Amino acid sequence: SQKIEQNSEALNIQEGKTATLTCNYTNYSPAYLQWYRQDPGRGPVFLLLIRENEKEKRKERLKVTFDTTLKQSLFHITASQPADSATYLCAPDWGSGNTPLVFGKGTRLSVIA
Amino acid sequence: NAGVTQTPKFQVLKTGQSMTLQCAQDMNHEYMSWYRQDPGMGLRLIHYSVGAGITDQGEVPNGYNVSRSTTEDFPLRLLSAAPSQTSVYFCASRGGHSPLHFGNGTRLTVT
Repeated sequence: SQKIEQNSEALNIQEGKTATLTCNYTNYSPAYLQWYRQDPGRGPVFLLLIRENEKEKRKERLKVTFDTTLKQSLFHITASQPADSATYLCAPDWGSGNTPLVFGKGTRLSVIA
Repeated sequence: NAGVTQTPKFQVLKTGQSMTLQCAQDMNHEYMSWYRQDPGMGLRLIHYSVGAGITDQGEVPNGYNVSRSTTEDFPLRLLSAAPSQTSVYFCASRGGHSPLHFGNGTRLTVT
């Protein structure tokens, strides 16, 4: 079965710095990789999706990379702000649309002012 | 747009009681799923459905039943609650290759 590992349970960084979160997966490569944000007491909210033939995807201060050789995705938040503090989850998607999404355990990011 | 609606938001049960967690979506999504989230364990898939009349088991299905009689609704039933089922439950739906849309969860405590 697939195993999804996110680099650390918690990450603390200073405001203004770049946060980098890692998502590694085993076995066969997904067609897509999705990233979600979860705030306390709320359901996860979709942020970005990257396809296997895309090396990089950007949205405002967010950047996602996808390395199918390393079986890894990196999620960057540049110029981080305290409002970016949340748990971030990755989910490889094997792309049929009906395939269940399996999530990593998440990384809790705290941006300190 | 309501999106995915879960009820109730909070519930306390005694061991052995039964209950149904409700989930409804208004986006005409074929795919719906249930997850539980526990500290340190992340989101774990309980059951999922790819359309009305079709359900399948996820990673942790024991102790839970589901049915899908309409596209909109996907209730999760606990037939005999156990303390190990204390958790936060999330329902989610998707249409085709779109991302998952989550509800805001039901926090269940079993004493």
